[in-house]
Amino acid sequence: AQSVTQLGSHVSVSEGALVLLRCNYSSSVPPYLFWYVQYPNQGLQLLLKYTTGATLVKGINGFEAEFKKSETSFHLTKPSAHMSDAAEYFCAVRWNQAGTALIFGKGTTLSVSS
Amino acid sequence: EAGVAQSPRYKIIEKRQSVAFWCNPISGHATLYWYQQILGQGPKLLIQFQNNGVVDDSQLPKDRFSAERLKGVDSTLKIQPAKLEDSAVYLCASSLLLGAVVDTQYFGPGTRLTVL
Repeated sequence: AQSVTQLGSHVSVSEGALVLLRCNYSSSVPPYLFWYVQYPNQGLQLLLKYTTGATLVKGINGFEAEFKKSETSFHLTKPSAHMSDAAEYFCAVRWNQAGTALIFGKGTTLSVSS
Repeated sequence: EAGVAQSPRYKIIEKRQSVAFWCNPISGHATLYWYQQILGQGPKLLIQFQNNGVVDDSQLPKDRFSAERLKGVDSTLKIQPAKLEDSAVYLCASSLLLGAVVDTQYFGPGTRLTVL
């Protein structure tokens, strides 16, 4: 079955440190890939998405992610964490078929300490 | 541009009671989604509409959940009767087109349901 796995339900970093949130998918066919962020009591906001073309995708708030087909991964990174980055992050996939829904991972909570 | 609106934001009910949630998508968005997000998990699709027609309701517990999108604009999700395991955040999302697989989904703030 096709699935999305986010490694680590909770990641803690210091302000200014590298942020790395991991996402792997299981599928023989590369899907379309998304990262969403959810702040407390708010809906999900799209950070970035990979569809086709360049495998390094830049998103909002300084985040970027790289699609690696050989590793079936789409890890999210940010060079320098800010306190405002503290939130829950969801990786999601959608397969190349019109009408298919987003399949979300379980989420990773990012904590940033000063 | 106004975002996806949902109400109420919070609801507490007792099991076996009924509850309804309302969603108003972004103006002009043809596709509307209802997701259930249980604590500690990612959102899971319950139902997907294209205009006022149902595209996918395969994961909707139809014995207790129902949804409609009359006139192809706003939508209502109902639970009757509620169970303890229905405690979750119910998210509504909308997107412009169904045919575009990479169409971005925009999410509302959600309704947090607690069933006692």
